Amino acid sequence: AQSVSQHNHHVILSEAASLELGCNYSYGGTVNLFWYVQYPGQHLQLLLKYFSGDPLVKGIKGFEAEFIKSKFSFNLRKPSVQWSDTAEYFCAVNTDTGGFKTIFGAGTRLFVKA
Amino acid sequence: DTGVSQDPRHKITKRGQNVTFRCDPISEHNRLYWYRQTLGQGPEFLTYFQNEAQLEKSRLLSDRFSAERPKGSFSTLEIQRTEQGDSAMYLCASSSNRGTRNGYTFGSGTRLTVV
Repeated sequence: AQSVSQHNHHVILSEAASLELGCNYSYGGTVNLFWYVQYPGQHLQLLLKYFSGDPLVKGIKGFEAEFIKSKFSFNLRKPSVQWSDTAEYFCAVNTDTGGFKTIFGAGTRLFVKA
Repeated sequence: DTGVSQDPRHKITKRGQNVTFRCDPISEHNRLYWYRQTLGQGPEFLTYFQNEAQLEKSRLLSDRFSAERPKGSFSTLEIQRTEQGDSAMYLCASSSNRGTRNGYTFGSGTRLTVV
């Protein structure tokens, strides 16, 4: 069965610090990978996605993620965080052939100090 | 397009009562999903509809849970004989019929508290 592991449950950074959130998945086939974000008081929204092509994908608000197939990883990065990036971040995976559901990680709560 | 709408936003019920939640997806999306999220966890898949057909159900969906999507438009999720363990945020999401690659649009969720 597919699963998603996020390495950190809570991360605290100061503004302008660099961010990297770890995500590993378990599935041996072709996967589609996502990062979702949930800002305080708001609904989950898609941050970026990968399904083929360049393994370095760029999303909204300066976020990017790199797919490393050999490591089953899809880490999220941002060079310089802002206070407004305070949110919960979820890594997720699905497949084109493995059914219709998307599996989510447990999430990482990011707090950015102003 | 107003996104995915869920109603109610909050529901407090006594143990043993039945509750029903409603989800209105984005009108042109034919795929609809229900997830459940508890504190400190990511969303857990409950069930999936393509148009009016319920194509997949999680083992989390006990026989007290039932979901429908009549006419392939809005969907309802009913929980019968609620238990305290049912307390959670119930999320609805929809997506287009372009495979599994596009990601979901989520609603704001219905927070259920069973007392």
